[in-house]
Amino acid sequence: KAGVTQTPRYLIKTRGQQVTLSCSPISGHRSVSWYQQTPGQGLQFLFEYFSETQRNKGNFPGRFSGRQFSNSRSEMNVSTLELGDSALYLCASSWDYRKTGSSGNTIYFGEGSWLTVV
Amino acid sequence: KQEVTQIPAALSVPEGENLVLNCSFTDSAIYNLQWFRQDPGKGLTSLLLIQSSQREQTSGRLNASLDKSSGRSTLYIAASQPGDSATYLCAVHASISNFGNEKLTFGTGTRLTIIP
Repeated sequence: KAGVTQTPRYLIKTRGQQVTLSCSPISGHRSVSWYQQTPGQGLQFLFEYFSETQRNKGNFPGRFSGRQFSNSRSEMNVSTLELGDSALYLCASSWDYRKTGSSGNTIYFGEGSWLTVV
Repeated sequence: KQEVTQIPAALSVPEGENLVLNCSFTDSAIYNLQWFRQDPGKGLTSLLLIQSSQREQTSGRLNASLDKSSGRSTLYIAASQPGDSATYLCAVHASISNFGNEKLTFGTGTRLTIIP
């Protein structure tokens, strides 16, 4: 079955602009998480959505937001871009990674969206 | 606050050798621990998931162990191959508050190079 698909793969934006990234999870998966990866900070958790509801949120400013649709596809938005937002943004899906003791909490990642802010 | 550490940050070994990657975490109250590999410019690929009640998991040449009491996990790679060259990350799934919030906390990874 198809894996996690993220679009676009690469994009360049200027400071002050906003950007929307898209993630299509594996069919049947209801949990979608977003991470930011930078050389200095490593992988940082942004937020997680489950059945259209934000279930968890990391320590990022309000400029970072997201949503999930009824088909589990998710988008994240970053407004008023700053140079420090340049990063690889990764989306991960699972059936329900909070379910302990089951294979449902194996997490699958997409290839990521490379965002460069100039 | 959960902290996950992976030492060393980089490791080079000759092809064919067996090797061990280390992952340490500060809070032993975890749900599970997962090992991933990441190739340059790519996303993460799940290798092994160990539930908190388990001690180890095996997949092919990979074996991951978990010792919750000491806050440690190891990833053992047998008979290493050049194709194993990648960055290996461990991630701990745990509660982050008393209000049901949970998240994965990632280590910074070990960059592994297998020398042909």
